Amino acid sequence: GAVVSQHPSWVICKSGTSVKIECRSLDFQATTMFWYRQFPKQSLMLMATSNEGSKATYEQGVEKDKFLINHASLTLSTLTVTSAHPEDSSFYICSARVSENIQYFGAGTRLSVL
Amino acid sequence: EDQVTQSPEALRLQEGESSSLNCSYTVSGLRGLFWYRQDPGKGPEFLFTLYSAGEEKEKERLKATLTKKESFLHITAPKPEDSATYLCAASGNTPLVFGKGTRLSVIA
Repeated sequence: GAVVSQHPSWVICKSGTSVKIECRSLDFQATTMFWYRQFPKQSLMLMATSNEGSKATYEQGVEKDKFLINHASLTLSTLTVTSAHPEDSSFYICSARVSENIQYFGAGTRLSVL
Repeated sequence: EDQVTQSPEALRLQEGESSSLNCSYTVSGLRGLFWYRQDPGKGPEFLFTLYSAGEEKEKERLKATLTKKESFLHITAPKPEDSATYLCAASGNTPLVFGKGTRLSVIA
């Protein structure tokens, strides 16, 4: 199946710093990628839809200025958590759309903000 | 509002003890019903997509079925390596909506 690589898998940072997470489609081009957030024992919550060459579409309640998304190429989308605070600690997962109805997911990034 | 509800939240089975996981959905204009497997600290792994009521798909010990309101993931003679969280998601007029998952533990 299609491979989506997400990096880093785990990051610890100090409060107030920014963290960048990368999501790459390794063997296919993805015009659309998605960013999710998952709390322990909870479902994946869609944060934003990332479209190559255009601005991301954010879900209601997600701060655009805090979670910066860039999709500069057909194989790479990045999520930058700006001025991170402890409440931003979570598991962030990206996915890439392979076809209209199928997404493949990255392995996730665990962010811990001290 | 589109919703996906999974039950039970957790399920503990003996090895070889078959069972089913339930996914109830309320989605406008269903385009697809998806099942994923998620291991701890990992992203979801795609299992199945179902598109219309009556459709069934199988993969090894797993079989997914779909009705107009529910989907079931049947696990036949499970093994310990089947232990994971199984996520159901539905795609309609809005982006993919996930349930909270069923945490399956298979005991040898």
